Amino acid sequence: GQQLNQSPQSMFIQEGEDVSMNCTSSSIFNTWLWYKQDPGEGPVLLIALYKAGELTSNGRLTAQFGITRKDSFLNISASIPSDVGIYFCAGRQGGSEKLVFGKGTKLTVNP
Amino acid sequence: GAVVSQHPSWVICKSGTSVKIECRSLDFQATTMFWYRQFPKQSLMLMATSNEGSKATYEQGVEKDKFLINHASLTLSTLTVTSAHPEDSSFYICSARDLVPQTSPLHFGNGTRLTVT
Repeated sequence: GQQLNQSPQSMFIQEGEDVSMNCTSSSIFNTWLWYKQDPGEGPVLLIALYKAGELTSNGRLTAQFGITRKDSFLNISASIPSDVGIYFCAGRQGGSEKLVFGKGTKLTVNP
Repeated sequence: GAVVSQHPSWVICKSGTSVKIECRSLDFQATTMFWYRQFPKQSLMLMATSNEGSKATYEQGVEKDKFLINHASLTLSTLTVTSAHPEDSSFYICSARDLVPQTSPLHFGNGTRLTVT
């Protein structure tokens, strides 16, 4: 099936640093979503993007829907320890209800 | 915001028994819910799409007789793992989205950790 290439796979940063992760695909998506998952819990929606070029912020988080509709990035500014977790990108194509997920980026923040 | 409730959060069962997991949309109606499975340190894999009032649609490789899905109302879908075996041990997560607007994103339940002994 369709795959999203998410990178990096993991990141180890110091508290206060900025973080950037991205997802790419060989196919066009019309919706990009970014989720965070803590251990033993379900993913929590961070940001939803619906238009090519759209740039959306949620507190210290900023995400963009790539112009080509084949990529998206998520930035976290001034990271704090509670940002630790696994971040997943997800995309929806055409009229499909299904979401395709990236493999996740595991973020570790050292105090 | 939209809330999806999943129950139970964890369950331990003996091999050969069946386990039912419930997924409820608490403050919205959902004609479609999705069931995912997640193995440790891996991404979410879609198992099936649950459709209210009709049969579920299963992804390739997922046994429909093994994973029974019932979506009897606009706010409840259930996944029953029948004759569970240790290899069925996993983290099962449901998701749903509001009917309105059409662009509303998927929200996930908190997952159910199934351990088959």
